[in-house]
Parts: sequence; structure tokens; C-alpha cells
Amino acid sequence: DGGITQSPKYLFRKEGQNVTLSCEQNLNHDAMYWYRQDPGQGLRLIYYSQIVNDFQKGDIAEGYSVSREKKESFPLTVTSAQKNPTAFYLCASSMRQADGYTFGSGTRLTVV
Amino acid sequence: SQQGEEDPQALSIQEGENATMNCSYKTSINNLQWYRQNSGRGLVHLILIRSNEREKHSGRLRVTLDTSKKSSSLLITASRAADTASYFCATYTANSGYALNFGKGTSLLVTP
Repeated sequence: DGGITQSPKYLFRKEGQNVTLSCEQNLNHDAMYWYRQDPGQGLRLIYYSQIVNDFQKGDIAEGYSVSREKKESFPLTVTSAQKNPTAFYLCASSMRQADGYTFGSGTRLTVV
Repeated sequence: SQQGEEDPQALSIQEGENATMNCSYKTSINNLQWYRQNSGRGLVHLILIRSNEREKHSGRLRVTLDTSKKSSSLLITASRAADTASYFCATYTANSGYALNFGKGTSLLVTP
């Protein structure tokens, strides 16, 4: 079945650590996105990528980094520069920017 | 920046009743989309309505779009307990970035 897979489901980070969240899709979608969701809030865009080897910052890119070396994969690194990383992270993909998105099931990151 | 704003923030109804959620946005759009999110899960795409469309149906869902008022509504008819979730509107505007802008959502509770 085609879909988008995020791993891990839960992740714990110590202060000062970098962590990487995985996002893989087998839908042959060109565009991929990372959003952050805080309790009771909507989704805020971190980074997006329209094609391989190209990505753009969203509204809250500070303290995050991404890569897009393969069409299927769009990993997100939460660096130690992100001061408040505890949140629910959602990855999504779409064939074209204007299309509906397919979302992964999310990664819940907690700083301990 | 968040473009869409849903109203009400929370809605509680009984099974069999209709649920109506509204979304207002600030700038011109190319399309507007509605998504559902069950607690702790990823979002699921429900319906997309283009700026030149006024109404769209999908099963028990009916979406309207009024571009003159910059607003949309989502109607769920004959609600079921399984419809309990958060519902988000998202807007796509081609000339202001290439990703969806999400609102903060309406939390719907359907009681048996």
C-alpha cells in the first residue's frame, strides 16, 4: 500500500542534543513538507521541498534543518538551537503544491 | 503565518445531528481544503474546493466557499460518534509560497 511513514512515533531528547526525525513516502510525490503542531494549535510550516535537492524555509525554520537527497525521503533534524522543541511533528507529501496532502502519523518529540 | 481561522473552537452534538464548522481567511486563495485529525494521529484530507467553485459534496460532507466573504463552511450530516475529531481548514495561495496554511481547528465531539 502506498503511504507516508514517520519514525519513530515517540522520541525523547536531552538538552543540547540534535535528533533526526525520519519521513519516507512511496507515493511518488514530488513535494514534501514538515509541520509542527503544539497542543490546541494549528499546524505551522517548518520546511518544504518541491523537488530533490531543493527545499525552502517555512514560517518557523530556526533551529531545524532538512535534506532532500532522494525523492522518497525528507528527514528533519531538530538541532540544539531549537529552544522549545517539545511538539508533535507531522510530515506530508503531495503530487503538486496545490493538491491535497497525505500525512504521516506523526512523531511526538519530548525534551527531558 | 496562519491564514485560516475556524469557528467554533469546540462543538458538541449528539449522534444524528448535523455539525457545521466555519473557516474565515484573509487573502485571496487558489483553493481551500478541509482535513480531519483524530487525537494523536496525522491529518486526513477530506475535500478540496477551488476558488471558482461554490459548493462540493463528498458522502455526508458538504463544503461551501464564498470568496466574496473569504469564508468556507463544512457541514457533516447525520453525525456519528466516529466523526469525533478535530477539523482543520487549510488554504493554498500560489503566489505566497508553496505550502498550505492551516487554521487552529474545530474540535468536534459527537456523543451517542
